[in-house]
Amino acid sequence: DAGVTQSPTHLIKTRGQQVTLRCSPKSGHDTVSWYQQALGQGPQFIFQYYEEEERQRGNFPDRFSGHQFPNYSSELNVNALLLGDSALYLCASTLSGGETQYFGPGTRLLVL
Amino acid sequence: RKEVEQDPGPFNVPEGATVAFNCTYSNSASQSFFWYRQDCRKEPKLLMSVYSSGNEDGRFTAQLNRASQYISLLIRDSKLSDSATYLCVVLDVGAGSYQLTFGKGTKLSVIP
Repeated sequence: DAGVTQSPTHLIKTRGQQVTLRCSPKSGHDTVSWYQQALGQGPQFIFQYYEEEERQRGNFPDRFSGHQFPNYSSELNVNALLLGDSALYLCASTLSGGETQYFGPGTRLLVL
Repeated sequence: RKEVEQDPGPFNVPEGATVAFNCTYSNSASQSFFWYRQDCRKEPKLLMSVYSSGNEDGRFTAQLNRASQYISLLIRDSKLSDSATYLCVVLDVGAGSYQLTFGKGTKLSVIP
């Protein structure tokens, strides 16, 4: 049973560029949440997707957008990258109504 | 703004020692509580849920005090393998979504 998978594992971009990160949830899970974890900080909630719609959003600008596909996989898009967007981006999945979220290994994004 | 506060540490303890971590949360309506463990450059992994009645899993004991909005984690007989960052996590439910709010984490180093 595959857990949550994310791609790519590492990414280097320059300021102003756009990036797309991908996540496949744990088998049987239909809800995907995205988090940003800066160095030395706890993960910060970006948004959550369920039934292909954004269900809730954290305190992140519109440069951060997402999508969920019919197979429950998800993408996180960040436009107009800033140096401060450098972080570990974590995807977590759960079954709707379930409390336990399972995290993927994350994508390390470095913006130069 | 919903917040979770933790002492960042680091806590440097010898093998076999008992160590306790504390955490406070700001949202009195928060529904569920967890401790996650995060190893260096890895994703967070669920360590245990926290209940008002207290719960124990081997050497780990977690406790919740809803009146004081306070959560604790006790680790007995520390092992080298316990070295990690421990994240206090609160689950808030709203508009059908489940949002985790993380503390910044408490770093534990168990020394031989």
